[in-house]
Amino acid sequence: DAGVIQSPRHEVTEMGQEVTLRCKPISGHNSLFWYRQTMMRGLELLIYFNNNVPIDDSGMPEDRFSAKMPNASFSTLKIQPSEPRDSAVYFCASSFYPAGGVLTFGAGSRLTVL
Amino acid sequence: AQSVTQLDSQVPVFEEAPVELRCNYSSSVSVYLFWYVQYPNQGLQLLLKYLSGSTLVESINGFEAEFNKSQTSFHLRKPSVHISDTAEYFCAVSDRVSQGGKLIFGQGTELSVKP
Repeated sequence: DAGVIQSPRHEVTEMGQEVTLRCKPISGHNSLFWYRQTMMRGLELLIYFNNNVPIDDSGMPEDRFSAKMPNASFSTLKIQPSEPRDSAVYFCASSFYPAGGVLTFGAGSRLTVL
Repeated sequence: AQSVTQLDSQVPVFEEAPVELRCNYSSSVSVYLFWYVQYPNQGLQLLLKYLSGSTLVESINGFEAEFNKSQTSFHLRKPSVHISDTAEYFCAVSDRVSQGGKLIFGQGTELSVKP
């Protein structure tokens, strides 16, 4: 398996633009997580899905953020409109639930909002 | 709710010296505990985990961690570090009730191994 695939790896955009980050989990995994990493706040869990259903989205910062998982092999994290404070590395991870916390992470999408 | 505190943000050490990265957690329920490692410009990788059984767990590259319930700690140790161990290390916790469905990370400890 190629692992968790994230795209784009790097995104530079201007404030106010819509940003869509994509994730392909490992085949057979039924849980998917979106994390955000910044110097100031460290790794924050934004949202996670079990069997394509959002279970906990309490970490989503505000209504500008939304995440979907239309099927078992694809998820998106959308920011609309984007703001400079959204600049961060966004990680997607997947696991086989119940996995006891054993997650496989993608390489991350580095977002810069100017 | 769970939380994790990594007591050192940066740990510089010379090659072949021993190292300990400290981690304390807080939880009102039983937990699973983990250490993940992040090399530059990469995602996190699982280093080792404590789910149940022996409180001392080991990784394939010489790291070990001991679960201490009374002190709510899960410190990571290695008796002799290599240059290649330079990375950021994250302690993490999840609760047994959700069977590991939600993983909460500490702030990370940057291990820098000098020659």
